Amino acid sequence: DTAVSQTPKYLVTQMGNDKSIKCEQNLGHDTMYWYKQDSKKFLKIMFSYNNKELIINETVPNRFSPKSPDKAHLNLHINSLELGDSAVYFCASMRGWDTGELFFGEGSRLTVL
Amino acid sequence: GQNIDQPTEMTATEGAIVQINCTYQTSGFNGLFWYQQHAGEAPTFLSYNVLDGLEEKGRFSSFLSRSKGYSYLLLKELQMKDSASYLCAVSPLVTGGSYIPTFGRGTSLIVHP
Repeated sequence: DTAVSQTPKYLVTQMGNDKSIKCEQNLGHDTMYWYKQDSKKFLKIMFSYNNKELIINETVPNRFSPKSPDKAHLNLHINSLELGDSAVYFCASMRGWDTGELFFGEGSRLTVL
Repeated sequence: GQNIDQPTEMTATEGAIVQINCTYQTSGFNGLFWYQQHAGEAPTFLSYNVLDGLEEKGRFSSFLSRSKGYSYLLLKELQMKDSASYLCAVSPLVTGGSYIPTFGRGTSLIVHP
């Protein structure tokens, strides 16, 4: 069974469109994250969310919004897509700080034309 | 904020030993992590140091000096499959008790025959 799964794996769309990427984890972890990895491979935190609190990286445009219907899901919604949004988006989860281990999904490659 | 520095690229020969350094400056500190990322794949967890000293795990070892804001990842008996990007990450404690691993830009390791 896949621990952290993301869909879709590939997404090609036009500027100005709205799109969503779904993420589910079956590990029972309390905290989930979204990271963006750009063409230079820099992995940048976008959001952190647990059942108590959403933490947003202040540099993330408000066109990006996380939505968590329940503890096992953290979806990423993007409005009015721009060329610079092209990247690989990784979802991850963590059980707790005692292990410090992030479990990553396979990534979703978004291409904005 | 956090500042994490590591070399952009390193090359080594199969069977050799390589050390990848990471220096960091962070407000608050709750551990340093190393992840491995092969091209086109998600990062995978290698090690976690929270106290000073050396942690050994098979061919890989990780060292931490909190007073110096310094860590290294040591890879022994290099194999071709070790060619990958190695990501150093630290995590401060943010408000509300959340932990948000923040990554350096990664070191691309190329292993030659």
